[in-house]
Amino acid sequence: AAGVIQSPRHLIKEKRETATLKCYPIPRHDTVYWYQQGPGQDPQFLISFYEKMQSDKGSIPDRFSAQQFSDYHSELNMSSLELGDSALYFCASSLGWQAGTEAFFGQGTRLTVV
Amino acid sequence: RKEVEQDPGPFNVPEGATVAFNCTYSNSASQSFFWYRQDCRKEPKLLMSVYSSGNEDGRFTAQLNRASQYISLLIRDSKLSDSATYLCVAQQGGSYIPTFGRGTSLIVHP
Repeated sequence: AAGVIQSPRHLIKEKRETATLKCYPIPRHDTVYWYQQGPGQDPQFLISFYEKMQSDKGSIPDRFSAQQFSDYHSELNMSSLELGDSALYFCASSLGWQAGTEAFFGQGTRLTVV
Repeated sequence: RKEVEQDPGPFNVPEGATVAFNCTYSNSASQSFFWYRQDCRKEPKLLMSVYSSGNEDGRFTAQLNRASQYISLLIRDSKLSDSATYLCVAQQGGSYIPTFGRGTSLIVHP
């Protein structure tokens, strides 16, 4: 079965550079979530989209922005990168925006800022 | 205080043992709960949803106690392949955002 696809899988950037992470949800899934997971930490919610509209916002820095496109894929844009942005970035998708909805995760993008 | 709390462990158990993890949540409006499994440097994978009446999937049993605001996961007949971090997730009422606990590390040894 098709899963959530994230690209790239690995990314190395220098401080102050920009990065774009992409997420392709499971076909027919209309909800996308972005999470950041630092070493030894739990996934921290950044932002989510439902039907191409932002549905909720978590601890996403102002330097980051995201959107969901007409084909439901999503991109997380990160600017003025800092060393502390180095982390695993996961995208998850689900069908619908309601209680009990199960979210499925992509394999993540490992971002290293040097 | 984190919205979802778990004992980080590690729980170190022999093969064949039964092990239980607990998780507490602070937001009484939380509506839905899940257990995810995460292997090192991999993505969280959905293990099972947690239903109000409790549910079982093979060797795994999940329970929900809304009055005390905790969720449990019981693993019977542990296998070496069960070694992983188990993440408790509460879906917040209203926002439906899956909120993760810090995870409980399980190590199953021969």
